[in-house]
Amino acid sequence: GAVVSQHPSRVICKSGTSVKIECRSLDFQATTMFWYRQFPKQSLMLMATSNEGSKATYEQGVEKDKFLINHASLTLSTLTVTSAHPEDSSFYICSATRGILDYNSPLHFGNGTRLTVT
Amino acid sequence: RKEVEQDPGPFNVPEGATVAFNCTYSNSASQSFFWYRQDCRKEPKLLMSVYSSGNEDGRFTAQLNRASQYISLLIRDSKLSDSATYLCVVDGQNFVFGPGTRLSVLP
Repeated sequence: GAVVSQHPSRVICKSGTSVKIECRSLDFQATTMFWYRQFPKQSLMLMATSNEGSKATYEQGVEKDKFLINHASLTLSTLTVTSAHPEDSSFYICSATRGILDYNSPLHFGNGTRLTVT
Repeated sequence: RKEVEQDPGPFNVPEGATVAFNCTYSNSASQSFFWYRQDCRKEPKLLMSVYSSGNEDGRFTAQLNRASQYISLLIRDSKLSDSATYLCVVDGQNFVFGPGTRLSVLP
């Protein structure tokens, strides 16, 4: 089955630093990847849609200059949290599907990154 | 109205019980439907897709009612390992997640 790998799984950083999270589709090409954030006891919230070779599409309320997304290849998308602050502490999860136009193609998730900003 | 809504839960049921979750969606153009389960502090994992004719996978049965725009998940003979949060996911233009319903299966 499809596998999505996300790295790192856990990161602790100091306020003001930047953190990069990688998301790779291991056995399929993903023209579109999605980045989610999840706060404790809440559901997943879509942050942005990452499109290979073009700019990401951000959801309302998500700062594109703070959450930089790069989708340089069909198998890799990165999310960089710039100048992280404690309120950015959250669980970040990426996902991908084989094809956005392939109905009934489910999302496959990375194992998530737990970010703690001190 | 939220795009996807689910039973608020939590559901606390004894082992062996049958439990049903409901999910409603607002976008009538939605094409694909899924149930995911999410364990505490882990990523969601696909439980099953939901097909128009309804489908079953072992103890799990999913139903779709397009006219009423709702999806259901039935778990029979519940196990302790079924304890998790169950997320309804609807794919229209984007994948939209419901808030989830927490299930605790008690010994």
